[in-house]
Amino acid sequence: GAVVSQHPSRVICKSGTSVKIECRSLDFQATTMFWYRQFPKQSLMLMATSNEGSKATYEQGVEKDKFLINHASLTLSTLTVTSAHPEDSSFYICSFRGTGYGYTFGSGTRLTVV
Amino acid sequence: GENVEQHPSTLSVQEGDSAVIKCTYSDSASNYFPWYKQELGKRPQLIIDIRSNVGEKKDQRIAVTLNKTAKHFSLHITETQPEDSAVYFCAALLSGNTPLVFGKGTRLSVIA
Repeated sequence: GAVVSQHPSRVICKSGTSVKIECRSLDFQATTMFWYRQFPKQSLMLMATSNEGSKATYEQGVEKDKFLINHASLTLSTLTVTSAHPEDSSFYICSFRGTGYGYTFGSGTRLTVV
Repeated sequence: GENVEQHPSTLSVQEGDSAVIKCTYSDSASNYFPWYKQELGKRPQLIIDIRSNVGEKKDQRIAVTLNKTAKHFSLHITETQPEDSAVYFCAALLSGNTPLVFGKGTRLSVIA
């Protein structure tokens, strides 16, 4: 089945710094990738839809200048959290639709901003 | 857009009993309904799914039912085991390359 690799799995950063999260599809060309955020004991909330070669589409309430998404190739999408603050601490996870109806998720990134 | 409601938010059952989690969706055009199991700190794992042209699907101890008219679908776990303890999410998908919309999750605890 489709495989997506997400890195890093855990990151701790200081407030005000930026963090880049990578999602790489290993055996599938992903024209569209979805980025979700999950706060503790909550559901997965869609942040943005990343389309290869074009600008990402952000959900209402998600700051596009703070969460920079780049999907420059069919196998790589990145999410950069700029000027991170403690309230950005969360579990970030990417997903793309493989063949048929199946969706594949990355392993997630636990971001802690101190 | 699509909205998915999930109940209950927490569920405790005795080992060996059955567990039922229910979800409703708002957009009648949704045509795919997966269920995910998520353990702490891990990615969601697909456990079963159903398409809109099917009313019921079963895989060993897990089954899903879909009522398109009422726009609700349910997850049934029989003979529950402690390792079934996790958070379960339902989701709905509109056609095309659109994102999954998740319910809020159900924390299932199976008590040995």
